[in-house]
Amino acid sequence: GNSVTQMEGPVTLSEEAFLTINCTYTATGYPSLFWYVQYPGEGLQLLLKATKADDKGSNKGFEATYRKETTSFHLEKGSVQVSDSAVYFCALSDPRRGSTLGRLYFGRGTQLTVWP
Amino acid sequence: DVKVTQSSRYLVKRTGEKVFLECVQDMDHENMFWYRQDPGLGLRLIYFSYDVKMKEKGDIPEGYSVSREKKERFSLILESASTNQTSMYLCASRLAAQETQYFGPGTRLLVL
Repeated sequence: GNSVTQMEGPVTLSEEAFLTINCTYTATGYPSLFWYVQYPGEGLQLLLKATKADDKGSNKGFEATYRKETTSFHLEKGSVQVSDSAVYFCALSDPRRGSTLGRLYFGRGTQLTVWP
Repeated sequence: DVKVTQSSRYLVKRTGEKVFLECVQDMDHENMFWYRQDPGLGLRLIYFSYDVKMKEKGDIPEGYSVSREKKERFSLILESASTNQTSMYLCASRLAAQETQYFGPGTRLLVL
């Protein structure tokens, strides 16, 4: 079946530190991969995505590369800011491309807190 | 900008009450979803709808039902609320031809 495993938090960093949040997946086909972010008191918003192997998604200084050989999509940022404090969710799409029944499978989320 | 709105940010109900959570999107999206979010469990899919009057069970449909009479509106119904349904409920929508889902701000429900 389809599933996503991401590193457990909470993760606590000082401002300007390097961030890595690990994400690995299991899927029967060739899914697209996503990182969503949830700021305090808000819903989820798309941070970045990659649709095929070796693609790199990037946004707001965050990056993640779709690694098919290791079934991974780790999130990285070179220098975090206090405003990056949020919960980060890794997700994959149902590999049935083109299906109107496609759905997302989410990891459990990783809480990131950045201190000044 | 896509806008997904949910009828309430916070809701307090009593055990046994019938509860309606409403979600409206303004981008003509075909697909809509209801999730619940609990600490340590992430997001779990309750129900989704791929078109008007269509619905599919997700991973945890027990104790819930849904209604989609109009394309822009997707309602989640708790027929008889129980304390284990205390949670954050998130609605999402997407175009059928795209994979990105757009989320509402969530409704935090407390069942006493």
